[in-house]
Amino acid sequence: DTEVTQTPKHLVMGMTNKKSLKCEQHMGHRAMYWYKQKAKKPPELMFVYSYEKLSINESVPSRFSPECPNSSLLNLHLHALQPEDSALYLCASSREGQGRFEKLFFGSGTQLSVL
Amino acid sequence: SQQGEEDPQALSIQEGENATMNCSYKTSINNLQWYRQNSGRGLVHLILIRSNEREKHSGRLRVTLDTSKKSSSLLITASRAADTASYFCATDAQGAQKLVFGQGTRLTINP
Repeated sequence: DTEVTQTPKHLVMGMTNKKSLKCEQHMGHRAMYWYKQKAKKPPELMFVYSYEKLSINESVPSRFSPECPNSSLLNLHLHALQPEDSALYLCASSREGQGRFEKLFFGSGTQLSVL
Repeated sequence: SQQGEEDPQALSIQEGENATMNCSYKTSINNLQWYRQNSGRGLVHLILIRSNEREKHSGRLRVTLDTSKKSSSLLITASRAADTASYFCATDAQGAQKLVFGQGTRLTINP
């Protein structure tokens, strides 16, 4: 299994809603990532978990809250988002916690719209 | 600041032709990677080239790296309609703890 699975594929939420994005991989990878991508722009790193511990937070607003329950799962909890947070949210994994030295495996993403 | 800049921003060619995309970066790197992204989907890893390598091949893909010029190129030979996608280079800036993506090249292959 070489897949990273993200759910849901599409999400529409109001600014007062609470929702969660989910990501799962069964490749035994020890690092997992959240990226945000606006249309026609490159992915921007948000968070990195390495061995289930948060290792990088790219100064992301607190309305985004990551969680790594175990080495196979990664969640992104969303609360009180703004319309400008509408984007494609991508999850990725890599074998070790050195994503800059090795390739990343990406999920298909969650297209989020905040109304 | 963005580490990788790609050129051209958009490229449209006929099926069967070769496509060349370039990536320039600013600081020393350990490796450079190329990814493909179909519209609205996740990224797919294509090739990783290390700073001590000059050229790598994978099927119809050829990547070169010139560390003296801080640049890389991705060549897709005998293009197919299925190659239509955005292509991103990604680098690890020296001392950085993350991979930084370039702005990308949108490639369109016309049948």
